[in-house]
Amino acid sequence: EIVLTQSPGTLSLSPGERATLSCRASQSVRNSQVAWFQQKPGQAPRLLIFGASSRPTGVPDRFSGSGSGTDFTLSISRLEPEDFAVYYCHQYGSSPLTFGGGTKVEIK
Amino acid sequence: QVQLVQSGAEVKPPGSSVKVSCKASGGSFDSYAVSWVRQAPGQGLEWMGGIIPMFGTTLYAPKFQGRVTVTADESTSTAYMDLSSLMSEDTAVYYCARGRDEVDIFANYVPVYWGQGTLVTVSS
Repeated sequence: EIVLTQSPGTLSLSPGERATLSCRASQSVRNSQVAWFQQKPGQAPRLLIFGASSRPTGVPDRFSGSGSGTDFTLSISRLEPEDFAVYYCHQYGSSPLTFGGGTKVEIK
Repeated sequence: QVQLVQSGAEVKPPGSSVKVSCKASGGSFDSYAVSWVRQAPGQGLEWMGGIIPMFGTTLYAPKFQGRVTVTADESTSTAYMDLSSLMSEDTAVYYCARGRDEVDIFANYVPVYWGQGTLVTVSS
């Protein structure tokens, strides 16, 4: 089973700043099949990035993903007020599929 | 627009079973993987298992193997998750999520569209 470790646990930033979230896998993720999700309280997760770096239609371009192998990153170029939430990485390259523990991005 | 509508909240005694449904509309159903993901109160996301309805093939997380069964009814575009031998630790919101139409079986599983979630409370 691939274990995903996200860091930091909490990121305290101000609107307009850049956020960089890390997701490290315990072994290489096949085909870089890593996704990133945003979740707000009381809501279902929302897909932001799939295939490590692809954005679904409708996701703002301030969200970007990068990485391969065991190290993946989600970047938010300029934080908007609605971006303060919890972010999860997810690998779907092999079974069992797994999620990271999450990074909370909070207002400083 | 793809929508996934799940069944309502449940309260179950320990040792019993629960079956949660997930009805899809607004898009094809058969060729897309449907995953089940749960979230205990204040905790993170946990993948439980999934199915590709067209093939009937299933995947399960080892933690839930033997206790969870995922099925799909193509005629009604509905997926089901059955969890048995319930314990208090199974109290959580259970989500279904539909994937993408990809050639690679695992790539099919990336959760694109999510249901609204079903709260299952295990309590005597």
